[in-house]
Amino acid sequence: GAGVSQSPRYKVAKRGQDVALRCDPISGHVSLFWYQQALGQGPEFLTYFQNEAQLDKSGLPSDRFFAERPEGSVSTLKIQRTQQEDSAVYLCASSLLNSGAVNYGYTFGSGTRLTVV
Amino acid sequence: AQSVSQHNHHVILSEAASLELGCNYSYGGTVNLFWYVQYPGQHLQLLLKYFSGDPLVKGIKGFEAEFIKSKFSFNLRKPSVQWSDTAEYFCAGANNLFFGTGTRLTVIP
Repeated sequence: GAGVSQSPRYKVAKRGQDVALRCDPISGHVSLFWYQQALGQGPEFLTYFQNEAQLDKSGLPSDRFFAERPEGSVSTLKIQRTQQEDSAVYLCASSLLNSGAVNYGYTFGSGTRLTVV
Repeated sequence: AQSVSQHNHHVILSEAASLELGCNYSYGGTVNLFWYVQYPGQHLQLLLKYFSGDPLVKGIKGFEAEFIKSKFSFNLRKPSVQWSDTAEYFCAGANNLFFGTGTRLTVIP
């Protein structure tokens, strides 16, 4: 597609429920980032993929968060046993080149708004 | 700690006023800095970026930013704002690893 697509657009989960958020990057984009954006805050880095390799997951807040990109294209962010503090917008961004060589910004998706009740 | 900070949380301007939004970075190594804009209900869009060379960077929609190494700053400027510039503005650094908390700009017609 023309842009980064994220689904679902909105997700309401009961506390303790597992959720899976999907990101379809721009075709051919090598790099893929996940961010968490809490209300009134800037995006916080979660994890970074270069193709199928997860090169940096230092931003994942706990072991309940897990991300994968098995074929180097679509990525899924999974949150197990959701807590109220997980409520946020989860953003995905992709880029054509790898992080070390990039000299332009990334294309962001519209995000998935997760509300844990 | 490595970070990017924005000190203006909410800026209100009248149309045609000049704009300057502050951004400071605190990390070493190769410095690359970005400004993004997020219009209401829309996704983040890149306004401009700095990697090297001319410290005065021109972006889209009449925005520009100046990288001042001695001040660790990368402030965003626009000489004359329009109502349509009402949005949230984010500074980011280190290949988008760090984002500021954002500045909400409201332009009054």
